[in-house]
Parts: sequence; structure tokens; C-alpha cells
Amino acid sequence: GQQVMQIPQYQHVQEGEDFTTYCNSSTTLSNIQWYKQRPGGHPVFLIQLVKSGEVKKQKRLTFQFGEAKKNSSLHITATQTTDVGTYFCAFPRRTDSWGKLQFGAGTQVVVTP
Amino acid sequence: EADIYQTPRYLVIGTGKKITLECSQTMGHDKMYWYQQDPGMELHLIHYSYGVNSTEKGDLSSESTVSRIRTEHFPLTLESARPSHTSQYLCASSDLRDEQFFGPGTRLTVL
Repeated sequence: GQQVMQIPQYQHVQEGEDFTTYCNSSTTLSNIQWYKQRPGGHPVFLIQLVKSGEVKKQKRLTFQFGEAKKNSSLHITATQTTDVGTYFCAFPRRTDSWGKLQFGAGTQVVVTP
Repeated sequence: EADIYQTPRYLVIGTGKKITLECSQTMGHDKMYWYQQDPGMELHLIHYSYGVNSTEKGDLSSESTVSRIRTEHFPLTLESARPSHTSQYLCASSDLRDEQFFGPGTRLTVL
């Protein structure tokens, strides 16, 4: 079956530093989505990547889809306290054509001032 | 901002009680989902629906049941709550691009 691994599981970042979180799949993905969940909140859609090698930016966030469409990364520059939360990658299940997503376990980000 | 609502936001009940968690969306989405999530942990799909009168169980075995009589409404019912059901329950719906919109969640505590 499809395996997805998000690394790291936890990330402690000093405010102002950069960090990257990764999502790795054992199979080729049709597309990948990223969600952010603030502490005590609910997941909120950030972005969807579809094309091989695609790079998209949202202010300080840079999302990348690997050339082989098996991995993705989220890079945050100049981390702020508002970046605190858990970042999930998600992708359509290979055996399902009805839109169900497989979510990664998430990277929990803590920012120290 | 997505228009998906869940009530109640918080619920504390005793063992053995029957409860219904409400979820409604005003976006006209056909696909809806229920996830169970413990604090800081991953999302587990427990139910989903492709449309009216269509419901399926998800990955995580759950003693809850769901119904989909109207497109906008997808309630979840626990006939007899137990402490092991204590968790956060998140409802979501998705559009044609399969982007999922989540409700604020219901935090359930069973004593």
C-alpha cells in the first residue's frame, strides 16, 4: 500500500531562522496538498502541487514537488511565532478515485522567540 | 473562509449516553468526511460520503454511525459513548479539486 513519511516529526525553530519539512511517498503521486493546523485549531488548506518539479511560493513559504512526484517539501524562511502549528501533507489515495486523501503524520513546529 | 460548521464545539458526557455531533456545510459539496484526531496526532478517517444516501466507513474502525439525508448535513452518532471515544472529531467537505475544508471540530470527553 501507499506509505508516506513526514520528517521531521517535531521541529524546534528559533524565531528568524529557516527550516524545511519533507513529505516522502513510496509511490508516485498525482498531486500533493499541504495543510496547516494551529494549536487547538483545525487543518487549513495551504496549497496544491500538481506538476513534476513544481515550485510555488506564498510569502515566506516555498512549496516544492519532486521531479519524480514522490516527495515534496515545505520551506519557511525567517520563521515567525505565527508559523507555530502542525503541517500536514496529503495526497489522493492511489486506490481511490473519489477524492479521499491520505494524510501524513505531520510536522509539529514550535517557534521560540 | 470556508462555510462548514460543527456543533457542539465542546461536549462532556457520561459513559453510556447517546450523542450526535452535527456538521453542516453551505458550499454544496457532494463529498464529506469525518476524521478523529487526538491532540498533536495524525488525522484518522472514520467515515465519508460521496453524496446523499451514500456513506462508507473509513480506515479507522469506529463505533459511530453517520447519515447523509441532505447534501449539506452529515451528522455523526454514537449510540453509547465510552471513555475510549474521547477525542477531537473533525468534519470536512471537498470541492472538485479535492481541496478539503474543515470545520472547527468537536472536542468530546466521555467520563
